[in-house]
Amino acid sequence: EVLLVESGGDLVKPGRSLRLSCRTSGFKFRDFAMSWLRQAPGKGLEWVGFVRSKDWGGATSYAASVKGRFSISRDDSASMVYLQMNSLKIEDTAVYYCARAAYSETINFDSWGLGALVTVSS
Amino acid sequence: SFVLTQPPAVSVAPGKTATIACETERIGRKHVHWYQQRPGQTPVLVVYDDSVRPSGIPTRFSGSNSGNTASLYISRVEVGDEADYYCQVWDSNSDFPVFGGGTRLTVL
Repeated sequence: EVLLVESGGDLVKPGRSLRLSCRTSGFKFRDFAMSWLRQAPGKGLEWVGFVRSKDWGGATSYAASVKGRFSISRDDSASMVYLQMNSLKIEDTAVYYCARAAYSETINFDSWGLGALVTVSS
Repeated sequence: SFVLTQPPAVSVAPGKTATIACETERIGRKHVHWYQQRPGQTPVLVVYDDSVRPSGIPTRFSGSNSGNTASLYISRVEVGDEADYYCQVWDSNSDFPVFGGGTRLTVL
């Protein structure tokens, strides 16, 4: 069974940093790209960023709203993916989901974690 | 980039078929994925590549994609199908995913 479990969500002040972790199991982690997505209260889904597998160079890409402030990394030996969030803004308040990216005709997100709540407030 | 447009809400009676649309120019040339998010729960992939069901998804869920509209169909709708539904497409030009705004399905 594929499992993804996020941790690290917290209440932080604007301008501070926070790191989210996603522990995975049940699949060959190194073979998959991993993504972070978020959902602000009462809003829709928003893609945050993406890290490809090492076979595809391990490249990262980010949404314009977080580029330069957020970074994604992975540890294949531990089957973990991380989201480092710097210079947090009030509008970054959301539930953050870790998701596995599956390659079919194009990329879809076939497994999701339960989410971690990040609240940015003074 | 492009915008995926979904109706904010769709209502359907139990046992009937719900149709949820996702529109953008020439979406028929893209591959559309659909997610279900029940209240307070995490999203679940219910259809990918326009019309393929992942393992474990009931056959009541199906999809189509042509022209400027992709559609998710839910036949024999049940109360448990009440949820927000999101379409998603991969933008190959910018190399990132695009989500629709979501449709709230209400079972009357």
